[in-house]
Amino acid sequence: EVQLLESGGGLVQPGGSLRLSCAASGFTFSSYAMNWVRQAPGKGLEWVSSISDNGDNTYYADSVKGRFTISRDNSRNTLYLQMDTVRAEDTAEYYCAKELKIFGVPRDFDYWGQGTLVTVSS
Amino acid sequence: QFVLTQPPSVSAAPGQKVTISCSESNSNIGNNYISWYQHLPGTAPKLLIYDNNKRPSGIPDRFSGSKSGTSATLGITGLQTGDEADYYCGTWDRSLSAAVFGGGTKLTVL
Repeated sequence: EVQLLESGGGLVQPGGSLRLSCAASGFTFSSYAMNWVRQAPGKGLEWVSSISDNGDNTYYADSVKGRFTISRDNSRNTLYLQMDTVRAEDTAEYYCAKELKIFGVPRDFDYWGQGTLVTVSS
Repeated sequence: QFVLTQPPSVSAAPGQKVTISCSESNSNIGNNYISWYQHLPGTAPKLLIYDNNKRPSGIPDRFSGSKSGTSATLGITGLQTGDEADYYCGTWDRSLSAAVFGGGTKLTVL
């Protein structure tokens, strides 16, 4: 059974940093692109970042480019999101999501974690 | 800017059919594949449709997807109260190397 378990969320001050983790199990982690998607309170889903199966290619939404860094450790089956210089508008539930197709581009997210809440506030 | 536009809300009675549209701000939708997600508050989103019209294993055939020109549509037949949720279309834009979600449509089953 595919499982994605996010952790690392919490309260952080504006300008601060936070690292989210997503522990994956139940599938060959190193064969699939992975993604972060967020949902701000009362808002819709917003794609944040994606990373290819081997980690060579990373992609970011304009809203986080230059501030967030996605990475993965295929030996630990774990996905990360390093969040630096956070802003109030980064407050959201953050979900990690698995790509549907093996060795595919990050396009169809077939499994999602339950999310971890990040609150940016002083 | 690449935008997917959905109606904010739709409603229908139990047992009826509803459609949710997803239109793109430029002609890219003709080249990009659309996926659809169901999201109930407090739960993980669920993939309903990918590649415009394919269902992942376990998704009932009450859910269908189609695409014509610059517009995609999610259809749900035999509506159930459990279908009340937010529905999102999404795509990967190759020219931008970015994923995009529509604004979401809240389905109410009256």
